Amino acid sequence: SQQGEEDPQALSIQEGENATMNCSYKTSINNLQWYRQNSGRGLVHLILIRSNEREKHSGRLRVTLDTSKKSSSLLITASRAADTASYFCATDLQGAQKLVFGQGTRLTINP
Amino acid sequence: NAGVMQNPRHLVRRRGQEARLRCSPMKGHSHVYWYRQLPEEGLKFMVYLQKENIIDESGMPKERFSAEFPKEGPSILRIQQVVRGDSAAYFCASSPISGIQGGELFFGEGSRLTVL
Repeated sequence: SQQGEEDPQALSIQEGENATMNCSYKTSINNLQWYRQNSGRGLVHLILIRSNEREKHSGRLRVTLDTSKKSSSLLITASRAADTASYFCATDLQGAQKLVFGQGTRLTINP
Repeated sequence: NAGVMQNPRHLVRRRGQEARLRCSPMKGHSHVYWYRQLPEEGLKFMVYLQKENIIDESGMPKERFSAEFPKEGPSILRIQQVVRGDSAAYFCASSPISGIQGGELFFGEGSRLTVL
């Protein structure tokens, strides 16, 4: 089964609002990454947070990690129409040499 | 510095034919990953290779699928005797360091295989 599960599966908000996506995982990790995928395109790395970090910022992005709950959240502030995409979390499992991706959240920003 | 290059971008095959997907990693990257994505779904790990070595192929189907990353040239994902269920987007990603070291993956635009 998938290591990471995103919630919600789909999210539709108005431009300017904040968007929050959550990711839960099952086993211990070294780090957690978030990626973005525009329709029909490849994935683009957004941000990486290590297991000993609790929060990280990059521009309008804010990522939190709670290892006790095995969960992470991605917050996009002041959303724009161009933020419309699918967002995936990916976990780097301890003992494994691969990134395991969740099912993704499809975010739609309405102008 | 060119990104990860995948070709072909689109491939149509009839059932029973072979599909060969190629991936040239970013310059200086020696770690290559292949993932498969079905419509509206996430990426499923298939295989992780370093130059001339398969490191983890736990996501590869036991039959008909193979992958290589030779000393010279691109990585190849080969699917023999394709079936309709193989229709998907296949993504290649590369990294200068291995995943367990916290490496960010750089993705290509994918190869979309359609099996008729």
